[in-house]
Amino acid sequence: DAKTTQPTSMDCAEGRAANLPCNHSTISGNEYVYWYRQIHSQGPQYIIHGLKNNETNEMASLIITEDRKSSTLILPHATLRDTAVYYCIVRSPRGNTPLVFGKGTRLSVIA
Amino acid sequence: EAGVAQSPRYKIIEKRQSVAFWCNPISGHATLYWYQQILGQGPKLLIQFQNNGVVDDSQLPKDRFSAERLKGVDSTLKIQPAKLEDSAVYLCASSLMGRSSSYNEQFFGPGTRLTVL
Repeated sequence: DAKTTQPTSMDCAEGRAANLPCNHSTISGNEYVYWYRQIHSQGPQYIIHGLKNNETNEMASLIITEDRKSSTLILPHATLRDTAVYYCIVRSPRGNTPLVFGKGTRLSVIA
Repeated sequence: EAGVAQSPRYKIIEKRQSVAFWCNPISGHATLYWYQQILGQGPKLLIQFQNNGVVDDSQLPKDRFSAERLKGVDSTLKIQPAKLEDSAVYLCASSLMGRSSSYNEQFFGPGTRLTVL
C-alpha cells in the first residue's frame, strides 16, 4: 500500500503557483520522496525527488519538512498543460524497486 | 531518444477471450515493468523483469495473466481468459540497471486501454 496521503483534487489559476501537499508520516530514514505526474491518456512522468533538503529543477521545487513527515511540490507558474494527476511516492532509492502509487491529487489549472 | 513503445493503444474484447499487449522499452534499459491502472486509481505493479529474468511477480494473477521478455528486450503481457475486472490501462515502464544505491528513473509508455465487455 502507498505510504502517502494527498488531497483528492485541487484547482489553481493559470500563472499562479501550485502548491501540492503530501503527508508521509511513516517515512523511513533512507526513503526518498518522489513526485510523478500523469497527464490524461499518457503514462506517468517523473518530476523530482529528494531526501531531506529542498530540491529544484526546471519543472518544479520540492520542499520537505525538517521532520520529513510531509512535503510540498511547487509548480511556480502553472500553465494549462500542468493539468494532471500528481503522485507523491515514498521509496527506497536502492536499485530498481518498483513505484507504489496512491490515488494522487488531480490538479486542474484554470484559465 | 525514442520512448517506451506499446501496442495496441486500445483493445476491446469480450469476457473469456484472450488478449496480448506488447512493449518495446528504451534501448539499453535492462529493467522492465508492467503496471495495471484501474480507472480512478494509481498504477499497480504486475511484474518486473531484469533482462529476461523475473524479479517480482507477486501481484500477477498467474491463473490468467502471463508475461515474458525473451532476449531481454521486448515484452508481452497476456490475459487468458479475460474477466470484466481486467478492464484497465496496462502500462509498461523501463529503467537502466545502475548501481544498487542509485536511483534509476522509470520511463513509462502511453499504455494500452483494455475494455472487457
